[in-house]
Amino acid sequence: EIVMTQSPATLSLSPGEGATLSCRASQSVSSSLAWYQQKPGQAPRLLIYGASTRATGIPARFSGSGSGTEFTLTISSLQSEDFAVYYCQQYNNWPPWTFGQGTKVEIK
Amino acid sequence: QVQLVESGGGVVQPGGSLRLSCAASGFAFSKYGMHWVRQVPGKGLEWVAFIRYDGSNTYYGDSVKGRFTISRDNSKNTLYLQMNSLRGDDTAVYYCSNRVAGGWFDNWGQGTLVSVSS
Repeated sequence: EIVMTQSPATLSLSPGEGATLSCRASQSVSSSLAWYQQKPGQAPRLLIYGASTRATGIPARFSGSGSGTEFTLTISSLQSEDFAVYYCQQYNNWPPWTFGQGTKVEIK
Repeated sequence: QVQLVESGGGVVQPGGSLRLSCAASGFAFSKYGMHWVRQVPGKGLEWVAFIRYDGSNTYYGDSVKGRFTISRDNSKNTLYLQMNSLRGDDTAVYYCSNRVAGGWFDNWGQGTLVSVSS
């Protein structure tokens, strides 16, 4: 099973600042990496797949990069609606499909 | 637009059973694989089960293998999760999700809460 590790656990930032979230895989997942956003009381929402392709309707301030074992989700300028928990997920080796433990982006 | 609506959650005693349903609309349900994913309140996401578009193959996470069964009725555009021998650590919100083009989870339902408690 591929273990996904996200860092940091919590990111405290102000609106307008940039955010950089990291995700590491225990072995290479090539570019088979997705990112999700989850707000309290809501289901997760797909942001990025293929490590860097934005899903339909996702604003350009969200970008993904990386391959192999190291990945990054960047939010260029945080808007109020971006404060949420973010999860990475690999789909290179399945089953199981595995998620990271999440990074919470909170208002500073 | 795509809509996934879960139902069937509730409170059940340890050792009991429950069947979850996921009603799908807004896409060609019979052409796509479907997943169940769960989330303990306040915790992360755990993949539970996957079924191919035609039901020909199913896959399970180790924690539910032998106890849960995923199935689908393409004539009713509905996905199911039969959960038997429930345990306290099965308490979670259960989401259904579709697989449209790749191994990611494209769309999610709102979730249904399963609470296993005596």
